[in-house]
Parts: sequence; structure tokens; C-alpha cells
Amino acid sequence: SAVISQKPSRDICQRGTSLTIQCQVDSQVTMMFWYRQQPGQSLTLIATANQGSEATYESGFVIDKFPISRPNLTFSTLTVSNMSPEDSSIYLCSGQGLRGGYTFGSGTRLTVV
Amino acid sequence: KQEVTQIPAALSVPEGENLVLNCSFTDSAIYNLQWFRQDPGKGLTSLLLIQSSQREQTSGRLNASLDKSSGRSTLYIAASQPGDSATYLCAVRSNDYKLSFGAGTTVTVRA
Repeated sequence: SAVISQKPSRDICQRGTSLTIQCQVDSQVTMMFWYRQQPGQSLTLIATANQGSEATYESGFVIDKFPISRPNLTFSTLTVSNMSPEDSSIYLCSGQGLRGGYTFGSGTRLTVV
Repeated sequence: KQEVTQIPAALSVPEGENLVLNCSFTDSAIYNLQWFRQDPGKGLTSLLLIQSSQREQTSGRLNASLDKSSGRSTLYIAASQPGDSATYLCAVRSNDYKLSFGAGTTVTVRA
């Protein structure tokens, strides 16, 4: 199955700033996704990263706050913009493999102060 | 909308005991079901993937069953070890590409 490298692994950021998270997949995946996991909760899908076009966002998430790029099949970025303490979460990228299973990156632990 | 429930929310057992983790889902029209392990503050590690046409999958000490008609899956971990301590997540893929996650079962194996 694919291996996803995600960075940074953690960061502490000032409110009002932005952070870009990167994910690199070592082999082809059919789809890529971005999730948020707030403290003590399960995963919530932010958006589907579409290659070469705008991402598809879930209800409650907007492009201005979470711009996403996917310039090719194996790379995607998520930016968390104009951060506030409520954005403190673990952010995870995921890829869907050819057998339909999902692989996840190691996560980015974001703390906004 | 697919709803996924995991019971129990937490489990503490002595080393060597077998673990039984339950997952139920409301819509039986699933594509597959996947069990993950998550260590604190980390990403998800895939444990087992069960396609909708399968009834179980095994990997080492892990065995997962799937009863699609009743909307249930069970993860069995044999002869638990302290290294098995983690949160275990059940995720269901419906016929679109999206995963629906349970809230997880947090397992503690006492040495």
C-alpha cells in the first residue's frame, strides 16, 4: 500500500498567521483527502483534493479558510489561514489506494496561541 | 447519512487477555470497512481492510469479521500486549468515496 509523508509533524503558530501542510505519496493514489481531528474527537473530512482543479469542500469548510492544492497525482497541500485557537487540531491527509483502502499520513499537530 | 458507532469507548485489560472491539453502522450498502490504529497525537495506521463481499480478514493476532446485513464488524486481538495500547477506529466506506468514522475504542493493556 502507499506510504504518505506529511510535514510538518507539529507546529505552534501565532493567531492570525497561516500554515501550509504538505503530503507526498510514494505511489499513485486515486483520490486524496484532508481531515481534521479536534481534541478528543474522531476525524472530520475537510475536503477532497482534486488533481489540477479546485478541491471539493464538505459542509462547514470553505476555500478561503482552507485552500487546498493538488498539482499532480502524488502531492497535495492544505493551508490553514488566518488561524485562531479554535483551529488547534491534528490535520491528516489520506489517499485511496487501488484496492479501495485508505492510507493516512502521520498527521500535523497544530497549536494556535 | 452513514452513522458508525464503536463500543466500548474504552477498555482496560491485563496483558495476555483477548480483546473484542465492536463497530456498528446504520447503512448496510457499504463498499468496504477498514480498521485503523491511532497512537496519541499521531496519524492512522491501517490494520485490516474488509471488502463488502468478504466476511473476515486476518493478519497475525488480528481478526476482523464483517456482517453487512446486520451492520456489524468485530475486531479481535488475541493475546494482548502492552504495545497494543492505542485507540482503534472503525471506518466505513459507502458507495461514494467518503469514509465515515466511529469515535474509537481506547485500549489500555496493563503489564
